[in-house]
Amino acid sequence: GAGVSQSPSNKVTEKGKDVELRCDPISGHTALYWYRQSLGQGLEFLIYFQGNSAPDKSGLPSDRFSAERTGGSVSTLTIQRTQQEDSAVYLCASSLSPGGEQFFGPGTRLTVL
Amino acid sequence: KQEVTQIPAALSVPEGENLVLNCSFTDSAIYNLQWFRQDPGKGLTSLLLIQSSQREQTSGRLNASLDKSSGRSTLYIAASQPGDSATYLCAGRDSGGSNYKLTFGKGTLLTVNP
Repeated sequence: GAGVSQSPSNKVTEKGKDVELRCDPISGHTALYWYRQSLGQGLEFLIYFQGNSAPDKSGLPSDRFSAERTGGSVSTLTIQRTQQEDSAVYLCASSLSPGGEQFFGPGTRLTVL
Repeated sequence: KQEVTQIPAALSVPEGENLVLNCSFTDSAIYNLQWFRQDPGKGLTSLLLIQSSQREQTSGRLNASLDKSSGRSTLYIAASQPGDSATYLCAGRDSGGSNYKLTFGKGTLLTVNP
């Protein structure tokens, strides 16, 4: 079956612009997660969705970052007024249940010039 | 707060060798632990998930163990092949209300030389 998909695969933007990153989880997976992978920082948790609700947004680095999930499926991570330090690979994962095995998408590589 | 460490950061071995990758975690109240591989420029591929009640899990040439009392997990790769070259990441989940959240180590970059 289809895995987790993300789009775009690469995004280059200018400092100060807004970007939207999309995640399509595995069908039927109620839990969805966003992580960020930066050079030297490893993988950091950003936000967790259960259905359309986000009970844990503690990893979002600033109020420029927001995310939503609709229909218990697709999620969008939005970064407003991008900064160079936002450059990273943004990974999305989903799982059947909150503590279950997480399956990752291929990621979106964001470069802020 | 759970912290996960992986040593060594990089490992190079000849083809055919059996090898062990190490992962340590600080909080023994771990819910489960997951091993991943990441190929350059790609996402993460799940390899094995070990629940806190389990001691080990096996999949093909891979065997992962979990020792909560010592705060350690190992990934054993038998008869390594050049195709096993990748970065291997371990990630733990805490027990309790935040058992959904993975805390990652920084990974071990494995190179298997033909």
